[in-house]
Amino acid sequence: DAKTTQPNSMESNEEEPVHLPCNHSTISGTDYIHWYRQLPSQGPEYVIHGLTSNVNNRMASLAIAEDRKSSTLILHRATLRDAAVYYCILRDVEGSARQLTFGSGTQLTVLP
Amino acid sequence: DAGVIQSPRHEVTEMGQEVTLRCKPISGHDYLFWYRQTMMRGLELLIYFNNNVPIDDSGMPEDRFSAKMPNASFSTLKIQPSEPRDSAVYFCASSFHSFQETQYFGPGTRLLVL
Repeated sequence: DAKTTQPNSMESNEEEPVHLPCNHSTISGTDYIHWYRQLPSQGPEYVIHGLTSNVNNRMASLAIAEDRKSSTLILHRATLRDAAVYYCILRDVEGSARQLTFGSGTQLTVLP
Repeated sequence: DAGVIQSPRHEVTEMGQEVTLRCKPISGHDYLFWYRQTMMRGLELLIYFNNNVPIDDSGMPEDRFSAKMPNASFSTLKIQPSEPRDSAVYFCASSFHSFQETQYFGPGTRLLVL
């Protein structure tokens, strides 16, 4: 799987938007961009995924660069419950491997 | 749905003892994954099953680790004998074969081997 690069940590104020970046310069045409997050003392949970177009769901938005070499997870209004480690993961839908390969992720701290 | 269920949630044991971790995937899911998380190595895959058949066990650290999936609703991860370096949080996850294949993780089992 192609690698991703994320900042180790970010801070945000409560009720403000948060933009979490991810670089994936070696992404292939069949790689989907997935985001998971892990709240303290919990298992990872799915946030959002996309291929080329920007995506929105009830949790977040995903903005994908035109060349697909980077993407940004957007939390529109951060709450204290959004404090977590956020993982950006590439999934090759045509590959045989079905597992997720987690990097070190970005630790998001939300300040009250 | 109750989600992925793991037991026990916490396990403390002494070196040399056998440890068995259990997982019940979400009903209807045909993939089951075992991951391990440590501070040093982060989240790493140990093994995964498709339709109860082990597909990739290349992440299993050594012969002391074994995993089984006797039916679609139950899997075990066994460590025998356990060692202090096995101390970690073990997560089970399941997914349904689809284009999206979102994985759903259980709450994890926190294992401490003394």
